[in-house]
Amino acid sequence: DQQVKQNSPSLSVQEGRISILNCDYTNSMFDYFLWYKKYPAEGPTFLISISSIKDKNEDGRFTVFLNKSAKHLSLHIVPSQPGDSAVYFCAASDRRGTSYGKLTFGQGTILTVHP
Amino acid sequence: EPEVTQTPSHQVTQMGQEVILRCVPISNHLYFYWYRQILGQKVEFLVSFYNNEISEKSEIFDDQFSVERPDGSNFTLKIRSTKLEDSAMYFCASRDRAYGYTFGSGTRLTVV
Repeated sequence: DQQVKQNSPSLSVQEGRISILNCDYTNSMFDYFLWYKKYPAEGPTFLISISSIKDKNEDGRFTVFLNKSAKHLSLHIVPSQPGDSAVYFCAASDRRGTSYGKLTFGQGTILTVHP
Repeated sequence: EPEVTQTPSHQVTQMGQEVILRCVPISNHLYFYWYRQILGQKVEFLVSFYNNEISEKSEIFDDQFSVERPDGSNFTLKIRSTKLEDSAMYFCASRDRAYGYTFGSGTRLTVV
């Protein structure tokens, strides 16, 4: 099941610079997208979400962009901080369907922010 | 801030034994889920639960698995006869109508 893909297993960024994490999806029924951050031995922590009726959503240092025609979304973190170092998961849901809010996750990208 | 609480944090069990993983969702949430993550793999959906019944389950959620909400606050996942390949982190999650999803910290299940 590769409906949500994060093709970069890892990303290394200097503190203060921009981190860009990418995610692609194949299921055109997905209408809600979420980004989660995960530390080892902890559960995923919600960061930011976007509905398919929008193409951008911003919350502090985090911005998510959605390109529906390309079935692509990205998470921008500006400026990046060492505390942002974690695994980032993209997830998608079909809210209009009968999935009862099931999330489909990507494989995750390990972000390392160097001081 | 409200939390989803999972116990135990780590469970070691012998192959063939039954295990029960416990979760206390956020009290005013109506939708409940179990996900799992095998080491090095993606987080996978197992089952969703709404209105006291299973609303959707994945192919992984076979007859060895069951869920229950026995008392209106706890939400449990039972694996009847564990296999080595059941070793994973199991995450409970709950959400409200506005799609506010909250995950627990997970239970690491090790089957030996």
